[in-house]
Amino acid sequence: GAVVSQHPSWVICKSGTSVKIECRSLDFQATTMFWYRQFPKQSLMLMATSNEGSKATYEQGVEKDKFLINHASLTLSTLTVTSAHPEDSSFYICSARDAMGPNSPLHFGNGTRLTVT
Amino acid sequence: AQSVTQPDIHITVSEGASLELRCNYSYGATPYLFWYVQSPGQGLQLLLKYFSGDTLVQGIKGFEAEFKRSQSSFNLRKPSVHWSDAAEYFCAVGAGNTGGFKTIFGAGTRLFVKA
Repeated sequence: GAVVSQHPSWVICKSGTSVKIECRSLDFQATTMFWYRQFPKQSLMLMATSNEGSKATYEQGVEKDKFLINHASLTLSTLTVTSAHPEDSSFYICSARDAMGPNSPLHFGNGTRLTVT
Repeated sequence: AQSVTQPDIHITVSEGASLELRCNYSYGATPYLFWYVQSPGQGLQLLLKYFSGDTLVQGIKGFEAEFKRSQSSFNLRKPSVHWSDAAEYFCAVGAGNTGGFKTIFGAGTRLFVKA
């Protein structure tokens, strides 16, 4: 089955530094990947849609200059949290479809737990 | 706008008992519906999906769900729960058009299984 690998699984960083999270589709090509953020005991909130070779599409209220997304190849998307602050601490999850269309399920990475101190 | 409602924040069932998790959706067109399960600190795994055909769909791990258009519901069921089923369950709807597809998630229902 389709596998999405996310790295790192957890990271602790100091306030003001930047953190990069990688999301790879291991056995399929993903022209589109999705980045979600999940607060404790809450649902997944879509942050942005990452499009290969073009700019990401951000959801309303998400700061594109703070959450930089790069989708340089068909198998890799990265999310960089710039100048991180404690309020950015959260669980970030990426996902991708191995086919087009809303009936195609998402394949998820295992998430990245970010803690900003 | 499309939305997904999971009325139960958490549910506790005894091991071996039956389970039903509720999900209601709001979407103007034919919905594409999914159930995902999330173990603590992990990503999400697809349990089952529905987009056409038989309204009763079978998934992995013994789960099934029934699409009821008249009730805008897509409830998840399992006849006999195992302790390993304890997790967070998310109902989701796929929405959009050729301009872009999104998956909208419900708030989730946490399942506790007691011995």
